[in-house]
Amino acid sequence: GAVVSQHPSRVICKSGTSVKIECRSLDFQATTMFWYRQFPKKSLMLMATSNEGSKATYEQGVEKDKFLINHASLTLSTLTVTSAHPEDSSFYICSALGGNEQFFGPGTRLTVL
Amino acid sequence: GQQVMQIPQYQHVQEGEDFTTYCNSSTTLSNIQWYKQRPGGHPVFLIQLVKSGEVKKQKRLTFQFGEAKKNSSLHITATQTTDVGTYFCAASYNFNKFYFGSGTKLNVKP
Repeated sequence: GAVVSQHPSRVICKSGTSVKIECRSLDFQATTMFWYRQFPKKSLMLMATSNEGSKATYEQGVEKDKFLINHASLTLSTLTVTSAHPEDSSFYICSALGGNEQFFGPGTRLTVL
Repeated sequence: GQQVMQIPQYQHVQEGEDFTTYCNSSTTLSNIQWYKQRPGGHPVFLIQLVKSGEVKKQKRLTFQFGEAKKNSSLHITATQTTDVGTYFCAASYNFNKFYFGSGTKLNVKP
């Protein structure tokens, strides 16, 4: 199947700093990518839909100014967690839509101290 | 966001027993997908259902979409230890984004 990479896989940062997470589709082009947050032993919570060349659409309750999404090319979407706080610590996972399937990246574990 | 209820939360079975997980929505769905996530891994696509009453089979796995397109099920016949993982449904209401159910964690005892 198609491959989606995420970078970094783990990041630890201080409270108040910003962190950028990259999601790349390696062998296909994706006009649509999704960003999810997954809490330990819980389901995936859809944060936003990232559309190439246009603004992302955010789910209710997700602050667009805090979670900045940029989908500048057909193979790359980035999520920037701005002014991170400990409550932002989580597992962030992206997916790229290829045909009918979502191909998921391996996820990024963010820890905010 | 939209809510999709998935039950049960956990299921422990003896190898060879059957397993079923169910997803329900209060609103009609456009389509539904099923994913499997192994411990420490990321979700992997299993199948998509689109048509009312649709039934699809993949070896020991049977997927159903309800007539009203509000519920779906995944049934595994004669479970094996390789079936261990968490099974998620992902529901869509307009074909363009997906809301995941809470997942059913399957444990298979050899």
